[in-house]
Amino acid sequence: TAGITQAPTSQILAAGRSMTLRCTQDMRHNAMYWYRQDLGLGLRLIHYSNTAGTTGKGEVPDGYSVSRANTDDFPLTLASAVPSQTSVYFCASSETGLSTEAFFGQGTRLTVV
Amino acid sequence: GQNIDQPTEMTATEGAIVQINCTYQTSGFNGLFWYQQHAGEAPTFLSYNVLDGLEEKGRFSSFLSRSKGYSYLLLKELQMKDSASYLCAVTDSNYQLIWGAGTKLIIKP
Repeated sequence: TAGITQAPTSQILAAGRSMTLRCTQDMRHNAMYWYRQDLGLGLRLIHYSNTAGTTGKGEVPDGYSVSRANTDDFPLTLASAVPSQTSVYFCASSETGLSTEAFFGQGTRLTVV
Repeated sequence: GQNIDQPTEMTATEGAIVQINCTYQTSGFNGLFWYQQHAGEAPTFLSYNVLDGLEEKGRFSSFLSRSKGYSYLLLKELQMKDSASYLCAVTDSNYQLIWGAGTKLIIKP
């Protein structure tokens, strides 16, 4: 069972360029999330989706957008990357809301130069 | 504001017991999670507490006191593979998950 898959694993991106981080889950979970993880800080929620067709803003949404066209896929787009978006990005899913166990993808290490 | 506090780093000896504390101040409470994260890997679920008391799962136990805003993760019979970061996270009244910065646990032989 694949679980939750992210692509790419790592990327170096020029400032000002756009990029989409891909996330796919095969567990038929309703809820999906995008986090960024920076050294010395806790995971910070960027955007979330409680069910297909709906999305919401998390703690640090600026500069990012998401879509949830179906249950399985939850891509994260950076429209115009800036160096402060250098981070490790984790996609996660859970059966329902945030009171249930979340399963994480392996992460995407993004460096904006 | 909302805040989760954990020690930044702890060191313990293989075969010993270690307790990792977590204190929280959040707007409401709907449960507390502990996750394990090995370096360069994704977090993985360890435990969930919503009621006061101790939850035991093999070598790992998690304790919660809602009145004190306090939890701990207890790891027994430490093994080298337990070297990892341990993340505490609380679900607040809006069902938002607030994460601590994590405790890096170093196990020495």
